[in-house]
Amino acid sequence: SQKIEQNSEALNIQEGKTATLTCNYTNYSPAYLQWYRQDPGRGPVFLLLIRENEKEKRKERLKVTFDTTLKQSLFHITASQPADSATYLCALDGGNYGQNFVFGPGTRLSVLP
Amino acid sequence: DAGVIQSPRHEVTEMGQEVTLRCKPISGHNSLFWYRQTMMRGLELLIYFNNNVPIDDSGMPEDRFSAKMPNASFSTLKIQPSEPRDSAVYFCASSFTSGSTDTQYFGPGTRLTVL
Repeated sequence: SQKIEQNSEALNIQEGKTATLTCNYTNYSPAYLQWYRQDPGRGPVFLLLIRENEKEKRKERLKVTFDTTLKQSLFHITASQPADSATYLCALDGGNYGQNFVFGPGTRLSVLP
Repeated sequence: DAGVIQSPRHEVTEMGQEVTLRCKPISGHNSLFWYRQTMMRGLELLIYFNNNVPIDDSGMPEDRFSAKMPNASFSTLKIQPSEPRDSAVYFCASSFTSGSTDTQYFGPGTRLTVL
């Protein structure tokens, strides 16, 4: 069956360290993958998109990798700050007509001062 | 731009009542999406419209759910009759096109509680 998993429900790290979040998928063949940030009580906000032919994408302190062989995307936040604390969701195109987005369950990141 | 606007922000109703959620997409966006988010099931796509036309409603859970988009600036999601298991946060999102690489802009959501 099709499945999207994110490494853990919650991740705690110390300020200044690099946070690494994982998104694994099964029985999908996405042409791209997106990462969103969601704060409590708010809707998800788009962060980055990476295509299947791109190995890596960067935006300021954020870096995303996409390995179609491993069926995995890694999302890194370097020099993490308490303000980075949020839930991070990966989303991929479901491959079915009309199912543009399938979201993972999210990882709640807490950056401790 | 005000972003995607949803109303009401919170709705508490009793089982069996009709509930109507409203959404105003970002001006100029041609695609509109309705999602539901729960702890158990995460964020699920219910239905999406392109140029006011429903394209895929396969995510709509039951016939009790219906969605309309009478014009480019307004959409409704209706639940009739509502049940406690419909309690969730409902998000509306819009994008310039329905293309898979287009960024979706989410509204603040409507938290629905059905007693």
